[in-house]
Amino acid sequence: KAGVTQTPRYLIKTRGQQVTLSCSPISGHRSVSWYQQTPGQGLQFLFEYFSETQRNKGNFPGRFSGRQFSNSRSEMNVSTLELGDSALYLCASSLSGPTPYEQYFGPGTRLTVT
Amino acid sequence: SQQGEEDPQALSIQEGENATMNCSYKTSINNLQWYRQNSGRGLVHLILIRSNEREKHSGRLRVTLDTSKKSSSLLITASRAADTASYFCATDSQGAQKLVFGQGTRLTINP
Repeated sequence: KAGVTQTPRYLIKTRGQQVTLSCSPISGHRSVSWYQQTPGQGLQFLFEYFSETQRNKGNFPGRFSGRQFSNSRSEMNVSTLELGDSALYLCASSLSGPTPYEQYFGPGTRLTVT
Repeated sequence: SQQGEEDPQALSIQEGENATMNCSYKTSINNLQWYRQNSGRGLVHLILIRSNEREKHSGRLRVTLDTSKKSSSLLITASRAADTASYFCATDSQGAQKLVFGQGTRLTINP
């Protein structure tokens, strides 16, 4: 079965721009979680979606938003990019939620903001 | 903020030796998971241990959980070069549908 895919894999943007990242979960998985990974802050939870509804949100500003479609694919958007948004953005899918179920991670999108 | 904290931050051992990593967390949990990440790629799930379990095995991996001390350990026996990676513990943050990851232990296996 195909794994979690994320597009694009690499992205370079300028401060002030906005960006949309996409995540396609494993077929049959209804939960998608997003994480930001940086050397300084480590892995931080952004939000989790299940059946098109956001169930949990991490401690990030409103510039970070997301959505999930009826086919469980998810997108996250970051508006008014800042240098500190440079990070590896990971999405993960699971059957019904990140706990107590195994999460399958995609390869990530590496975003560089200049 | 990080729920889990791993110790040590970095560990370097010879191939064939055992590697032990520890994770401490702050609040009560329903379960704890361990993940591996190879050099800036996606994470791979290793094992999940529930709060009512004390020990769990999977191949060369052994995980223990002590809820009274709010700590867990991951033991990798007979290490191989392919085990070189970062290892993260993740807790379920008091039952909420989200995982909170520790800062990770960077493990290097020397041939």
